[in-house]
Amino acid sequence: EAQVTQNPRYLITVTGKKLTVTCSQNMNHEYMSWYRQDPGLGLRQIYYSMNVEVTDKGDVPEGYKVSRKEKRNFPLILESPSPNQTSLYFCASSWWGQPQHFGDGTRLSIL
Amino acid sequence: QKEVEQNSGPLSVPEGAIASLNCTYSDRGSQSFFWYRQYSGKSPELIMFIYSNGDKEDGRFTAQLNKASQYVSLLIRDSQPSDSATYLCAVNMGTGGFKTIFGAGTRLFVKA
Repeated sequence: EAQVTQNPRYLITVTGKKLTVTCSQNMNHEYMSWYRQDPGLGLRQIYYSMNVEVTDKGDVPEGYKVSRKEKRNFPLILESPSPNQTSLYFCASSWWGQPQHFGDGTRLSIL
Repeated sequence: QKEVEQNSGPLSVPEGAIASLNCTYSDRGSQSFFWYRQYSGKSPELIMFIYSNGDKEDGRFTAQLNKASQYVSLLIRDSQPSDSATYLCAVNMGTGGFKTIFGAGTRLFVKA
């Protein structure tokens, strides 16, 4: 089954404790992306990757890091999380220019 | 001006009516346009995509694109209560079209 898998689905943590949200896709897509969704603001792109070892900033990259060492994986790293990063996060993948397939989301709470 | 703008709604239509959702975008070079539906607490799912000026129909859904006026719309015919959701307009922008900008979404309520 074609899918984008994010883990964890829910996480409550504390300010400053490094965390990683994993994302994996099994469709051999070149393009992968991370978004955060906040009430009234819609989906905002954090980082995207056009292929292995090729990443670029979206609209809200501050406080986040990504890496793309393998085509299927695109982890999102918060090295020093802060409460303003409390949000619902989505990973997505696609062929370039094509509709994106989204993961089920990760609800992150930072206290 | 936001890069992709949608009316936040809510838009309320009776069952069986046509729902019309609109979206405008700022980047004239944009090439790819998408409509996603999102139920509360769920991930977005694709409804329609369109790349060329004009209309594209798929079942009860029609996407319309007008690049000269920089707007894209979604029509839902014979609206059903199950269509009640938030509809997100998305546009691929930037050099190479790799950057995706979403509108804030329009909430649609279909009344039985």
